[in-house]
Amino acid sequence: DAGITQSPRYKITETGRQVTLMCHQTWSHSYMFWYRQDLGHGLRLIYYSAAADITDKGEVSDGYVVSRSKTENFPLTLESATRSQTSVYFCASSEQGGLYEQYFGPGTRLTVT
Amino acid sequence: GENVEQHPSTLSVQEGDSAVIKCTYSDSASNYFPWYKQELGKRPQLIIDIRSNVGEKKDQRIAVTLNKTAKHFSLHITETQPEDSAVYFCAARGISGAGSYQLTFGKGTKLSVIP
Repeated sequence: DAGITQSPRYKITETGRQVTLMCHQTWSHSYMFWYRQDLGHGLRLIYYSAAADITDKGEVSDGYVVSRSKTENFPLTLESATRSQTSVYFCASSEQGGLYEQYFGPGTRLTVT
Repeated sequence: GENVEQHPSTLSVQEGDSAVIKCTYSDSASNYFPWYKQELGKRPQLIIDIRSNVGEKKDQRIAVTLNKTAKHFSLHITETQPEDSAVYFCAARGISGAGSYQLTFGKGTKLSVIP
């Protein structure tokens, strides 16, 4: 599991600030995903990427931006953080988009004050 | 898009008893159904999965069954142990509105195994 890492692990920011969460994987997996986890909602997909320079929106993409210039990195940016974006964010990767295991990173706990 | 319902939200069992968690899905085209276990403060990890061409799959004390006609699948844990205590998530691979395949997760079941 050391193959997928996230940074920072904890972050406190203020409303309106821009925040970038980093995700890095060493397996050369083609697919990468960002989820948020909130009590009572499970895991909800924010964005995913099928390969470098290919990204697509998930269920809850409003207020978030992603990029994927390199296969191993998939940063998530909150352009103007809001309190409703307080959550635990998980990055994941898989060899294929659907029929293979998704490996999750350790998560980033973000608090927006 | 896909919608996954998971029940119950909490489940308490005595050590050694069986636990069953049930999920239903809405998209009849969904073809992959993984189950993830998440211990407190940790990341979700895959424990078992099943594909739509299989009705049942077992791995030691864990089994998953799939009923495509009824669009539901279940996780069965036998001879539960305290280390089985965790939150369990089901998921279904369906087709998003944009035409791409995505995993949709249930809201989770908190399983407590009482020694």
